[in-house]
Amino acid sequence: GAVVSQHPSWVICKSGTSVKIECRSLDFQATTMFWYRQFPKQSLMLMATSNEGSKATYEQGVEKDKFLINHASLTLSTLTVTSAHPEDSSFYICSARRPSGSHEQYFGPGTRLTVT
Amino acid sequence: AQSVAQPEDQVNVAEGNPLTVKCTYSVSGNPYLFWYVQYPNRGLQFLLKYITGDNLVKGSYGFEAEFNKSQTSFHLKKPSALVSDSALYFCAVRVFSGNTPLVFGKGTRLSVIA
Repeated sequence: GAVVSQHPSWVICKSGTSVKIECRSLDFQATTMFWYRQFPKQSLMLMATSNEGSKATYEQGVEKDKFLINHASLTLSTLTVTSAHPEDSSFYICSARRPSGSHEQYFGPGTRLTVT
Repeated sequence: AQSVAQPEDQVNVAEGNPLTVKCTYSVSGNPYLFWYVQYPNRGLQFLLKYITGDNLVKGSYGFEAEFNKSQTSFHLKKPSALVSDSALYFCAVRVFSGNTPLVFGKGTRLSVIA
């Protein structure tokens, strides 16, 4: 099966700083990647859809200036949480899909962000 | 808009007994349905999917699910539960229209008791 990696797996940062999370598709080219956020004991909430070489499409209620997404290559998408606050603490999961025709989304292992 | 409902927050079952985790969906068009499992502090692991064809889908670890179009359901089942099946289970749906993402249900926590 396809493999999607995330780095780091966990990170602790201070309020006001920025944190970058990387998502890589290791054995396939992903034209589309998705970023999800999961609160404790809750479901995955889609934050944005990232398409290689173009701007990300954000879901309603997600601040695009706070959660910067860059999909610069077919194997890498990054999510930067800018000016982080404690309420941004969450589990962030990325997902990648093979080029058109594929039905499956492959998920990364997630990144636990704690903002102090 | 597409949505998924998992009516049970928690399902408890004794080891060796059959288990069912319920899922209903709402989409415009033909649905593609998925089940994923999540262990603590881990990402999602794919269990099975329904795209087309046979309504009964068999997946990983002995799980299966039945697509019921009239009831718009896709319940996850296993004939004999194991303690190691205890985890958080998510049902998800998408329609095949461009790069539409998976939309997830809220999840059901399965607890298998020895």
